Amino acid sequence: GAVVSQHPSWVICKSGTSVKIECRSLDFQATTMFWYRQFPKQSLMLMATSNEGSKATYEQGVEKDKFLINHASLTLSTLTVTSAHPEDSSFYICSARGLAGWSYNEQFFGPGTRLTVL
Amino acid sequence: AQSVTQPDIHITVSEGASLELRCNYSYGATPYLFWYVQSPGQGLQLLLKYFSGDTLVQGIKGFEAEFKRSQSSFNLRKPSVHWSDAAEYFCAVGADYKLSFGAGTTVTVRA
Repeated sequence: GAVVSQHPSWVICKSGTSVKIECRSLDFQATTMFWYRQFPKQSLMLMATSNEGSKATYEQGVEKDKFLINHASLTLSTLTVTSAHPEDSSFYICSARGLAGWSYNEQFFGPGTRLTVL
Repeated sequence: AQSVTQPDIHITVSEGASLELRCNYSYGATPYLFWYVQSPGQGLQLLLKYFSGDTLVQGIKGFEAEFKRSQSSFNLRKPSVHWSDAAEYFCAVGADYKLSFGAGTTVTVRA
């Protein structure tokens, strides 16, 4: 149990375009989803926390208009990188926390999405 | 706010030798503690976690970790490493349902 998927696994786009990344909890309902960014050889940095049906909470220094997060259902959250530029190239990882019980106290991670902006 | 320190950036170990990765945390209350492993280009895989109870925690792939409150540590150990253990290892502390990660330790396994 506790499987989280991300789509796409990698994407290449031109500078100035927008890219949408999906994060799905496949076998549990996720009350909260988290979006992280990871630069090469570095740790994961939390970008934002999203709860189903409400606005995401962004960490300090993360541009909310640049990184749009939508958590429309208990199994799906999306991250849209708007007007992407080369400096947005990174590895984006999502995680999900369940509603109760075994899935409540920890986060389950997706496989990540590699974004390259040309 | 919570924080995690992994003092070792890179560790090289011979196949079959023991491995210990250090993790120190800072948090006012009893934390939730985790160790994750990440292979290149992949997501995170949970090795083990500590919430409460027995301070020696067994995980997958033969890993174990010991929570020492007095030292604010949660070190990861494996008695005999395999070449497939070469990866990046992250220690994380959970509080208020958010995770803070250490900088990571790269493990290289030599034949």
